[in-house]
Amino acid sequence: GNSVTQMEGPVTLSEEAFLTINCTYTATGYPSLFWYVQYPGEGLQLLLKATKADDKGSNKGFEATYRKETTSFHLEKGSVQVSDSAVYFCALSAPTGNQFYFGTGTSLTVIP
Amino acid sequence: NAGVMQNPRHLVRRRGQEARLRCSPMKGHSHVYWYRQLPEEGLKFMVYLQKENIIDESGMPKERFSAEFPKEGPSILRIQQVVRGDSAAYFCASSPSWGLKTQYFGPGTRLLVL
Repeated sequence: GNSVTQMEGPVTLSEEAFLTINCTYTATGYPSLFWYVQYPGEGLQLLLKATKADDKGSNKGFEATYRKETTSFHLEKGSVQVSDSAVYFCALSAPTGNQFYFGTGTSLTVIP
Repeated sequence: NAGVMQNPRHLVRRRGQEARLRCSPMKGHSHVYWYRQLPEEGLKFMVYLQKENIIDESGMPKERFSAEFPKEGPSILRIQQVVRGDSAAYFCASSPSWGLKTQYFGPGTRLLVL
C-alpha cells in the first residue's frame, strides 16, 4: 500500500540554524512527492514538489530531493527564520488514483 | 485568482445535529477532494468528486457522511447526526483536469461537536 512516515516532532531551532525534516514513503510504482506547510489556523500551502526520481523541489530556501533508492524526500533549509514556524507535512500522490497520502506532520518552532 | 474557498471556517454543533460544509474550488478546477484532520494527526482522504459525480469515496465513513458536487454551486460535505468523534478540521482541495497530481487546499472548516 501507500504510506508516508515523517520525523516525529516537535522540532525547536534557533534562528539561522539548519533544518532537516525526514520523510520516507512506501508506494507502488513511481509516486509524486510533496511538502505542504500549515501555519496556525490556516490550510495547507504547497511548499514544493518532485514528480520523478532525482528531481529536486525547491521554494523559499527549502529543498527536497526525490531519492528512489532510499524511498525518501527529506526537507532541508540552510538557515531558518522565525516566520518558518509552522507544521510541515510530507505527502505522496500515487501513480494511480487521485488521493494524497499524508504524514502526521512535524511541528517546527524557530526561536529568535 | 481566488484560491479554494471554504465556509464556514468554524462550525459548532450539538450531538445529533447536521453539519454542512461548503467548498468552492479554484477557478477552472473541476476536481474536488475532501480530507479530514483529527487533532495531532495528518490529513486522511475522504472523497474525490468531479462535477455531478463521485469518483472515489473509499475514505468516507459508511454512515452519516455524504458529499456532492453539483453542476452549479459549491461542493458540500454533509454529516448527519454528528457525534463528538466528528470534531476535526475538514479540508477541501481542488485540482485542474490538466494537473491532477497537484492539489490546492482551502483554509479548512473546524467542526466542534459539543
